[in-house]
Amino acid sequence: EVQLQESGPGLVKPSQSLSLTCSVTGYSITSNYWGWIRKFPGNKMEWMGYISYSGSTSYNPSLKSRISITRDTSKNQFFLQLNSVTTEDTATYYCARFGPLDYWGQGVMVTVSS
Amino acid sequence: DVVLTQTPVSLSVTLGDQASISCRSSQSLEYSDGYTYLEWYLQKPGQSPQLLIYGVSNRFSGVPDRFIGSGSGTDFTLKISRVEPEDLGVYYCFQATHDPYTFGAGTKLELK
Repeated sequence: EVQLQESGPGLVKPSQSLSLTCSVTGYSITSNYWGWIRKFPGNKMEWMGYISYSGSTSYNPSLKSRISITRDTSKNQFFLQLNSVTTEDTATYYCARFGPLDYWGQGVMVTVSS
Repeated sequence: DVVLTQTPVSLSVTLGDQASISCRSSQSLEYSDGYTYLEWYLQKPGQSPQLLIYGVSNRFSGVPDRFIGSGSGTDFTLKISRVEPEDLGVYYCFQATHDPYTFGAGTKLELK
């Protein structure tokens, strides 16, 4: 069974970087596409970007040059880094297998606050 | 960016009723390969979103046949016949035809 689990700090200071890990079991990240999605307080959901089976990436332009998605195939993990965070980046962050989004992690709530 | 307009914002139903959610796109969601990358997700309280429908009308594994997706071009609908307690939550449409991919604002299905 495909399982994903996010991990990372729940509190980040403004202007710092947010770093999250998605650990995948039951399926190799060298197949398919793997994405990051976030849900803001309220109901708004935002697609952030993905990393492909080959390691290529695609990002939401709204995140401009702040976002980076990388991977470690030896550990079957992929990562999200979001730089220069503000309070507007406070959200629950999800990783998911993409194409369609058929398996999701449980989500990690990240608060940006000093 | 493609804007997905979901209506209604909230829907109050009685168990056993039919519910219908509309998702209208600011652009056609038919990709150049002929496929329409329109999906529906349900987020139940305290849970992660779960895939219901992909490719407009294909039910994901284990999704009951009371969930029916339909539509084409810019106009899509999710119908739930005979609403059951486990169907309550927030429904989202999502398009992966045009980059950046986008979600609708959500429709909350609750009991009357």
